[in-house]
Amino acid sequence: DIVMTQTPLSSPVTLGQPASISCRSSQSLVHSDGNTYLSWLQQRPGQPPRLLIYKISNRFSGVPDRFSGSGAGTDFTLKISRVELEDVGVYYCMQATQSPTFGGGTKVEIK
Amino acid sequence: EVQLVESGGGLVQPGGSLRLSCAASGFTFSNSWMDWVRQAPGKGLVWVSGINTDGSSTTYADSAKGRFTISRDNAKNTLYLQMNSLRADDTAVYYCARGTWGAFDVWGQGTTVTVSS
Repeated sequence: DIVMTQTPLSSPVTLGQPASISCRSSQSLVHSDGNTYLSWLQQRPGQPPRLLIYKISNRFSGVPDRFSGSGAGTDFTLKISRVELEDVGVYYCMQATQSPTFGGGTKVEIK
Repeated sequence: EVQLVESGGGLVQPGGSLRLSCAASGFTFSNSWMDWVRQAPGKGLVWVSGINTDGSSTTYADSAKGRFTISRDNAKNTLYLQMNSLRADDTAVYYCARGTWGAFDVWGQGTTVTVSS
């Protein structure tokens, strides 16, 4: 199985300031079809997960443009340009290049 | 509105069985890959099983192989997860999710399974 490692575990952020989450995979996520199936999800307290980003950098419908994804191969990053109160929650990276696996999660909280 | 609604969770004794259902609406269910993902209390997300559009291909996490069976009824727009030989570590919220572009773009609210004597 591909192991997904996220850092940091927790990210206290001041409102209006940026936040960055790193995700590293144990092997390349480039699929034989040429795509890289790395996505990011947000889970607000008491809610199901919500898709933010798919295929590294594509924002899902309705996702604010303060969220952006980047990376390649085994190293990926989710950035929030200016954190808002509604961004509080746990963020997960997920790979689906092979059977899906998730990172351990990064908790974004307000300082 | 695109929606997934899970049901069938509950309290079951170790070794028991449960059948989860996931009713889909607002999209063409028969064209969609579907998956089950679970989340133990206070823990992260873990993929459990997936099924292709017509049900001819299924995949399972090692923890589910031989005990869980995923299936679908496209005429009823419903996804299922039959869970047998349940263990305490199967206790979790179980989500169904739609697979698109190598991601899970639609999630249900989840159904809670508790395995305890």
